[in-house]
Amino acid sequence: AQKVTQAQTEISVVEKEDVTLDCVYETRDTTYYLFWYKQPPSGELVFLIRRNSFDEQNEISGRYSWNFQKSTSSFNFTITASQVVDSAVYFCALSEFRWGGTSYGKLTFGQGTILTVHP
Amino acid sequence: SQTIHQWPATLVQPVGSPLSLECTVEGTSNPNLYWYRQAAGRGLQLLFYSVGIGQISSEVPQNLSASRPQDRQFILSSKKLLLSDSGFYLCAWSVGAGKETQYFGPGTRLLVL
Repeated sequence: AQKVTQAQTEISVVEKEDVTLDCVYETRDTTYYLFWYKQPPSGELVFLIRRNSFDEQNEISGRYSWNFQKSTSSFNFTITASQVVDSAVYFCALSEFRWGGTSYGKLTFGQGTILTVHP
Repeated sequence: SQTIHQWPATLVQPVGSPLSLECTVEGTSNPNLYWYRQAAGRGLQLLFYSVGIGQISSEVPQNLSASRPQDRQFILSSKKLLLSDSGFYLCAWSVGAGKETQYFGPGTRLLVL
């Protein structure tokens, strides 16, 4: 069975601090996708990134960066120079693969980390 | 570009009443469609998914049902609501070769009293 663990329930930082959100996953699949979503107070989940299991290259997008380490089954998310607008719940998710290697899209979500950035 | 709509945005219903939540996607064809529920503002639980018209797969047994009468329309229903049905319901879609990435709608907040 697939499982995603986000051990940090809540994180509180002051604006301009760097913050890392942890994500650890379990899967028996050799091929899978990992995701991060942001849920602001409005409630809608906003897609941030997708990472293939066979691509361990880290990625940076502006103030956001992601560190994927297959050896430790982790996919951590770092926000550099945090801003108040970064305050949200962040979810890590794992996609299953079926049908000869194609995903039908079932996502297993972690419980989320509540990030509060204070001015 | 693709957009997804959900309505109503909020709903307060008495226990035992019926439910119908609607989700429509624009700007794409043959998407996979999904219904999730988020209780107590935290983790998301997949309720149903659909890979085509009339094709529904249920992930969690409950008193809810789903239907897909049109390619880009997904409906979540119940004949009799329970208190435990309260929550935030999110619809999502995915397209593309593997249909891996899901994009979510604005959600419906349901309170059952």
